[in-house]
Amino acid sequence: GQNIDQPTEMTATEGAIVQINCTYQTSGFNGLFWYQQHAGEAPTFLSYNVLDGLEEKGRFSSFLSRSKGYSYLLLKELQMKDSASYLCAVRVKSDSWGKLQFGAGTQVVVTP
Amino acid sequence: DTAVSQTPKYLVTQMGNDKSIKCEQNLGHDTMYWYKQDSKKFLKIMFSYNNKELIINETVPNRFSPKSPDKAHLNLHINSLELGDSAVYFCASSQDPLGWRYFGPGTRLLVL
Repeated sequence: GQNIDQPTEMTATEGAIVQINCTYQTSGFNGLFWYQQHAGEAPTFLSYNVLDGLEEKGRFSSFLSRSKGYSYLLLKELQMKDSASYLCAVRVKSDSWGKLQFGAGTQVVVTP
Repeated sequence: DTAVSQTPKYLVTQMGNDKSIKCEQNLGHDTMYWYKQDSKKFLKIMFSYNNKELIINETVPNRFSPKSPDKAHLNLHINSLELGDSAVYFCASSQDPLGWRYFGPGTRLLVL
């Protein structure tokens, strides 16, 4: 099976930077996704890493180190609307199909 | 304009009843999924269909039966509902089994 660990909750102030770490242990690793989920809403796709390194997308960046089984999501210039749960998900490829395993999510609280 | 839609949005029912949730996607995707998100916010894969063929069937009680009449629709029928079935059920789709998931708005099921 897969173990995916991320912190339960993080608090930061508006305008600051927050880094959400995700560690995983898996076989057949085939990519890592980050999703954002606001309370009562569906998860929405944020970023995807399959090779080592940093992917930048506006205020959000995601980093992957496959050898360390480690990823982080960096949120810059925090805004109140960034208060949400951030889900780390590992894709595992078995046969021809990909299965996505989700972590429990990190609740980010942005304060004024 | 809705990409992935689910009905109903809310479902409150008694133990022992049978209920269905419907899902439709207009993205032209080949792959559709059912996920369950429990009170602890874990998002777990239940089923996946690719071009109407079942490709992932996790350890789910056989009271849950998915049906895909065509690749744009994936319905979920639940027999003999139990208290533990209370959760949010998300339908999702992706271009192929390796693609990122596009989630529907969720169906909040409460079994009394």
